[in-house]
Amino acid sequence: AQSVTQLGSHVSVSEGALVLLRCNYSSSVPPYLFWYVQYPNQGLQLLLKYTSAATLVKGINGFEAEFKKSETSFHLTKPSAHMSDAAEYFCAVAASGGNEKLTFGTGTRLTIIP
Amino acid sequence: EPEVTQTPSHQVTQMGQEVILRCVPISNHLYFYWYRQILGQKVEFLVSFYNNEISEKSEIFDDQFSVERPDGSNFTLKIRSTKLEDSAMYFCASSETRITTGTDTQYFGPGTRLTVL
Repeated sequence: AQSVTQLGSHVSVSEGALVLLRCNYSSSVPPYLFWYVQYPNQGLQLLLKYTSAATLVKGINGFEAEFKKSETSFHLTKPSAHMSDAAEYFCAVAASGGNEKLTFGTGTRLTIIP
Repeated sequence: EPEVTQTPSHQVTQMGQEVILRCVPISNHLYFYWYRQILGQKVEFLVSFYNNEISEKSEIFDDQFSVERPDGSNFTLKIRSTKLEDSAMYFCASSETRITTGTDTQYFGPGTRLTVL
C-alpha cells in the first residue's frame, strides 16, 4: 500500500519569498507522484507529476518538485511566491503497475503575506 | 480547454434519502473515478470505473453506493440511503489512459458538496 505525508497543514510565506511544501511518500513499488492545487470553490488542478523520467519535475505556474528516493521525498518549491499562489496544495501517490487510484495527503494551505 | 463538470454544485438532503451526483467527464476519456473529501480531512478514493465496470473500490464504497455510466457521456454516483457521515465534497475525475503508464493524469471536476441533515 502507498501513502503520503504532508508536513505542515498551514504554511505562510511573504510575497517574493521561497515556497517550500513538504511531502514524503511510502510505497512498496516505484511510485508515481503528483502535486495538485485547489483554489477556493474549484476542483483539483494538476501542478506536476513524477513518472521516473527525471527526478526534477517542472510544473505550471513556476512550481517544481524533486524526487529524492533516498529521502522518500517529493517536496514542492517555487523560488518567488506570488499572491495568486494562495491555495491548498495536495501531494498524491499512485503505485506503478497497480491500480489507478490516487492516495492523497492531508493538504497544506499556503498563505501569502503581502 | 476540456474540463470535467459536476452537477449540482451543492446538494442538501435528509438522512435516509437517495441522492444522485452527476458528472460529465472529458469526452475522449475512458477511466472514471469518484473521490470524496470530508470537511477538514484528506481526499479519499471511492471507486474507479473502466469499460463499463468497476475496476476498484475502497472500503468506503459499500452497498449503499453505486456508479453508472448511463448514456456514454454522464457518470453518476448514487447513494441509496444517505447517512450524516456521507456529508462531504464529492469529486469526479477522468483520465484518457492509465495514469501509471505515462504522462497522463486524472482531471478533476469542481466537486459537489453534499450536506445530509
